[in-house]
Amino acid sequence: DTGVSQNPRHKITKRGQNVTFRCDPISEHNRLYWYRQTLGQGPEFLTYFQNEAQLEKSRLLSDRFSAERPKGSFSTLEIQRTEQGDSAMYLCASSLVRGVHNEQFFGPGTRLTVL
Amino acid sequence: ILNVEQSPQSLHVQEGDSTNFTCSFPSSNFYALHWYRWETAKSPEALFVMTLNGDEKKKGRISATLNTKEGYSYLYIKGSQPEDSATYLCAFKAAGNKLTFGGGTRVLVKP
Repeated sequence: DTGVSQNPRHKITKRGQNVTFRCDPISEHNRLYWYRQTLGQGPEFLTYFQNEAQLEKSRLLSDRFSAERPKGSFSTLEIQRTEQGDSAMYLCASSLVRGVHNEQFFGPGTRLTVL
Repeated sequence: ILNVEQSPQSLHVQEGDSTNFTCSFPSSNFYALHWYRWETAKSPEALFVMTLNGDEKKKGRISATLNTKEGYSYLYIKGSQPEDSATYLCAFKAAGNKLTFGGGTRVLVKP
């Protein structure tokens, strides 16, 4: 499978714990994006990388959230001291810099439940 | 804050019937409008990327139109089948790289 993959697919955690998600983009894609989707809403942009550089962060991304893409390939999204409001689907997408109108290809998401 | 809205939020369609739904978006700073289909437990799947006013695109029984001057796009499903059941998302792209999504239209096709 050469699509975008995300791990884990589901994560249940207790409030206050830290969690980390991983995204593996399509191999030749140099842009990687993180979005969050809460129930009844569309996905909301969190941040994106071009290669290893984090170029934009949403105001939604509080200090408890950090994303990395150390070698310009896979990315991790860490949430520290999780809160119940962090419960959501976290989607990763990738694209080519010169892709057709920035067409983004999505992974299946990681569903986080904070108890 | 960009306002992208989809209506209706959900709809039920009898198998074989045709249906359509709407995405409205800002008419300024338009760069592209994306449509995705998202089935439960799967990745959102790209359907169309639309850029030009008056664009019409078709993929099988699904088609879309674009009006950038008034800021809306329609998605049509002809002869709905149970496998068309999914959430359909539109996403607006201005200059820059992020997509701003609507809330989606959840389609349930009843056999």
